[in-house]
Amino acid sequence: RKEVEQDPGPFNVPEGATVAFNCTYSNSASQSFFWYRQDCRKEPKLLMSVYSSGNEDGRFTAQLNRASQYISLLIRDSKLSDSATYLCVVNSGATNKLIFGTGTLLAVQP
Amino acid sequence: SAVISQKPSRDICQRGTSLTIQCQVDSQVTMMFWYRQQPGQSLTLIATANQGSEATYESGFVIDKFPISRPNLTFSTLTVSNMSPEDSSIYLCSVEDPWTGVPEAFFGQGTRLTVV
Repeated sequence: RKEVEQDPGPFNVPEGATVAFNCTYSNSASQSFFWYRQDCRKEPKLLMSVYSSGNEDGRFTAQLNRASQYISLLIRDSKLSDSATYLCVVNSGATNKLIFGTGTLLAVQP
Repeated sequence: SAVISQKPSRDICQRGTSLTIQCQVDSQVTMMFWYRQQPGQSLTLIATANQGSEATYESGFVIDKFPISRPNLTFSTLTVSNMSPEDSSIYLCSVEDPWTGVPEAFFGQGTRLTVV
């Protein structure tokens, strides 16, 4: 089983739609969780950290479910500029090394 | 935010040669990280480079193949040695956020390496 698993997509959604991505992780000792965004042929950029209580940043909401070992990212009112690959990232627990998921591709259509 | 300048942005190299990738940060950071991203894959950590000590390599990566220098708190290099086509990949450096300590908060633009 992969340490971090994501649905690769693609998720094709119309502008204005709400879309949610889930990500599962295997190490119950993981303590830090992040979502990154990677545009085509660009470097990853940190989108947001994910806190136990859940957190919101504008149109983006991240949730953590420790019992089920998954994190989610919700994007409301999708924009064309949201089109990118979203990487779920989890620390390994014991070593603090970050483990990157393979990403979920989002394509927002006009 | 920290600004990272990574060079070269791309290169095409002959097999058997070596390429050194440079990463310059505009802030002092304790930890710098080197990653590889192969086509269609996610990022894989090669090694962690702390200033003043030898780099720590992940399983599957060795110093002879990927020597790393970290001469000060704003600069690091990764060398891909004795290259083969299997080394064709994107190589990225990353640093922690010097203000919040969030690890790998910032990435360089990446070096797209093709070995022929």
